[in-house]
Amino acid sequence: GAGVSQSPSNKVTEKGKDVELRCDPISGHTALYWYRQSLGQGLEFLIYFQGNSAPDKSGLPSDRFSAERTGGSVSTLTIQRTQQEDSAVYLCASSLGGTAFEAFFGQGTRLTVV
Amino acid sequence: AQSVSQHNHHVILSEAASLELGCNYSYGGTVNLFWYVQYPGQHLQLLLKYFSGDPLVKGIKGFEAEFIKSKFSFNLRKPSVQWSDTAEYFCAPELVFGAGTILRVKS
Repeated sequence: GAGVSQSPSNKVTEKGKDVELRCDPISGHTALYWYRQSLGQGLEFLIYFQGNSAPDKSGLPSDRFSAERTGGSVSTLTIQRTQQEDSAVYLCASSLGGTAFEAFFGQGTRLTVV
Repeated sequence: AQSVSQHNHHVILSEAASLELGCNYSYGGTVNLFWYVQYPGQHLQLLLKYFSGDPLVKGIKGFEAEFIKSKFSFNLRKPSVQWSDTAEYFCAPELVFGAGTILRVKS
């Protein structure tokens, strides 16, 4: 597709369950970012993939969060044993590489933990 | 630690008023600077960016921003806002995002 695609657009899950969020970046973009957007909190950086380099995981809030990027394209963010404080909009963005390039954002996945 | 501060969380203006949103950051060295905007119900999109050169950069929809290296600032401005500028604005040095400023323009 022409833009960054995220799925699902909405996810409601029970506390304690695992969830997987998917991001399809723009074709040819080597950089991929995950952010979390909570009300009044702005965008919280989670993880950054650049090409074949080791990802920058410095923003992951706990070991319940993990992400992978297969084949340098699609990425999956996994949250294990979800908690209510994980409720937020999870945003994915991609760019041609590094912070010298504009990041293009998807519509996000709204996660609600009940 | 790297940080970014947006001075106002909520701003309410009447149409035709001038706008300035403050942004300060704590990075050293070369910094790539961005402002993003999120209109209601839409995804984040780039408003403008600064990498090097003229410190006054112009973006879409009449917005501009000035990079002042000595002040570690990258403030966003628009001389005359419109109702359609109602949105949330994010300063993002090195794609690290501030808390955002919600702008509401009254018609």
